[in-house]
Amino acid sequence: AQSVTQLGSHVSVSEGALVLLRCNYSSSVPPYLFWYVQYPNQGLQLLLKYTSAATLVKGINGFEAEFKKSETSFHLTKPSAHMSDAAEYFCAVSRGGSNYKLTFGKGTLLTVNP
Amino acid sequence: SQTIHQWPATLVQPVGSPLSLECTVEGTSNPNLYWYRQAAGRGLQLLFYSVGIGQISSEVPQNLSASRPQDRQFILSSKKLLLSDSGFYLCAWRTDSNSPLHFGNGTRLTVT
Repeated sequence: AQSVTQLGSHVSVSEGALVLLRCNYSSSVPPYLFWYVQYPNQGLQLLLKYTSAATLVKGINGFEAEFKKSETSFHLTKPSAHMSDAAEYFCAVSRGGSNYKLTFGKGTLLTVNP
Repeated sequence: SQTIHQWPATLVQPVGSPLSLECTVEGTSNPNLYWYRQAAGRGLQLLFYSVGIGQISSEVPQNLSASRPQDRQFILSSKKLLLSDSGFYLCAWRTDSNSPLHFGNGTRLTVT
């Protein structure tokens, strides 16, 4: 089985501050990991993906995430928050191969204060 | 390039009425197709997925069904809607089980 836990349903930061959104996963095999962003009343947009190449993954909009196998974590970071980063963020895990399911965390709502 | 179309964007239906939501993908062949439902504060719940025409896997026993009549068409249906069917429904596709999902813009369903 596979699962994802996102710590903190709501994170609030000031504009220009570091953004850190936490994601821990559980998977019986090496996972494929993804971060998505969702703006109100829209679908999800892929931010970045980890597929067993480099452990530090760079995505769009200045976000990056680091895969840490020993901690079973895939936290999302951005050095300096922008007002436009306010949205909901979802971490997801997939085992690949013959397993077609992609399991999502419950999401973290990011608020950016001026 | 590949695109995904999902409609309608919003829908208000009375309890007991039927439902049909449609999703089509363009620019790719034999995609894996997915239906998710999103309820407030509950993340995304996988409802159905399909790896080929006529092949449907159901994840949660419920009042809904799915069909894939054509390679790039995925339909979510119900014969009689319940209040609990309200939510934001998202269709998605991907090339294979190792690749990321690409989502449509969603359908906001309100059952009254």
